[in-house]
Amino acid sequence: DQQVKQNSPSLSVQEGRISILNCDYTNSMFDYFLWYKKYPAEGPTFLISISSIKDKNEDGRFTVFLNKSAKHLSLHIVPSQPGDSAVYFCAASGADTGRRALTFGSGTRLQVQP
Amino acid sequence: GAVVSQHPSWVICKSGTSVKIECRSLDFQATTMFWYRQFPKQSLMLMATSNEGSKATYEQGVEKDKFLINHASLTLSTLTVTSAHPEDSSFYICSARSGKYSGNTIYFGEGSWLTVV
Repeated sequence: DQQVKQNSPSLSVQEGRISILNCDYTNSMFDYFLWYKKYPAEGPTFLISISSIKDKNEDGRFTVFLNKSAKHLSLHIVPSQPGDSAVYFCAASGADTGRRALTFGSGTRLQVQP
Repeated sequence: GAVVSQHPSWVICKSGTSVKIECRSLDFQATTMFWYRQFPKQSLMLMATSNEGSKATYEQGVEKDKFLINHASLTLSTLTVTSAHPEDSSFYICSARSGKYSGNTIYFGEGSWLTVV
């Protein structure tokens, strides 16, 4: 049972345009969400996070939106750059796991075309 | 920012042997570290939670006698794959939380490629 879902395995956008990566979750106990960027054969790199008490968090070109009622979050990258090409993982943690660790989605491969 | 370092970054071992992977938090103390495994084109799957000074907590389906975890200090956790088999070949990643609250960011190591031949 996948508690964190990224239904789009891949996404291709033009340089300078907006990239929108989506993530859905089913566990209502999740209260903290993170996005990681990962290159092949490397560990994930933290990008941005959001607590369930907020609905938006912005950091430079990256903005994460959280819709608790829909159990949906999205990562917006504006403007997209070729260096953003990587696999992006959505992750969540919550009180029911004692916040022991993160539950990851399956990832979305972003390709930014020059 | 916080840094988590893993060693070795890649290792090849013979079937039946054991291999140890180290995970260090370089500029913060980590009471809890996490070990993940990623097979090609799949997501990161939590294997176990490593707690400093106590036994690790393993996820369902992960053999604790095969994947030995030792968290001997606040900056070091080790994962030993015992009697490795080719199906254990995978990308192993450790992570550490920079504090004890869920709001503290989890940082990841660079990962370790294990190939069992």
